[in-house]
Amino acid sequence: EAQVTQNPRYLITVTGKKLTVTCSQNMNHEYMSWYRQDPGLGLRQIYYSMNVEVTDKGDVPEGYKVSRKEKRNFPLILESPSPNQTSLYFCASTMDRGFGEAFFGQGTRLTVV
Amino acid sequence: EDQVTQSPEALRLQEGESSSLNCSYTVSGLRGLFWYRQDPGKGPEFLFTLYSAGEEKEKERLKATLTKKESFLHITAPKPEDSATYLCAVRWGSNYKLTFGKGTLLTVNP
Repeated sequence: EAQVTQNPRYLITVTGKKLTVTCSQNMNHEYMSWYRQDPGLGLRQIYYSMNVEVTDKGDVPEGYKVSRKEKRNFPLILESPSPNQTSLYFCASTMDRGFGEAFFGQGTRLTVV
Repeated sequence: EDQVTQSPEALRLQEGESSSLNCSYTVSGLRGLFWYRQDPGKGPEFLFTLYSAGEEKEKERLKATLTKKESFLHITAPKPEDSATYLCAVRWGSNYKLTFGKGTLLTVNP
């Protein structure tokens, strides 16, 4: 079954404690991306990756890091989380260099206290 | 200024009452416009990609159209199961970013 898997689904952490949200896809897609979704602000792209070792900033990259060492994995790293990073996060992978159908993960609800 | 604006923010329809959702964009050099559906607590689900003005795509009760400055998602004879938030997104210029609108919350009453 084609899928994008994010972990964890829910996370409560404290300010400043480094965390990683994992994302893995089994469709051999080249394009992967991370989004955050906030009430009233909609879905905003954090980072995207066109292929292994190729990443670029989206609209809201501040406070986040990503890496793409393997095609299937695209982890999101928060080096020093702050309360304003409390949000619902989605990972997605897309065929056709990002123009085709995008498959989204189930979401990770992060709370930073 | 928002680059992608969706209207209305919320729309309530009776079952069978057709209507349209709007997505207007101010970016130049559009490379693709995307429509997604999102159910509560879930990730968005891909519906359509449109590339150029005049293009139309259909899927069941949904039809998406594109002009030079906006896109419409037409819903014909909607059913309660069409209730969801509909998101529009654009890619433009030489980058590969994707910018979403804030969505339209559609409720279809039986």
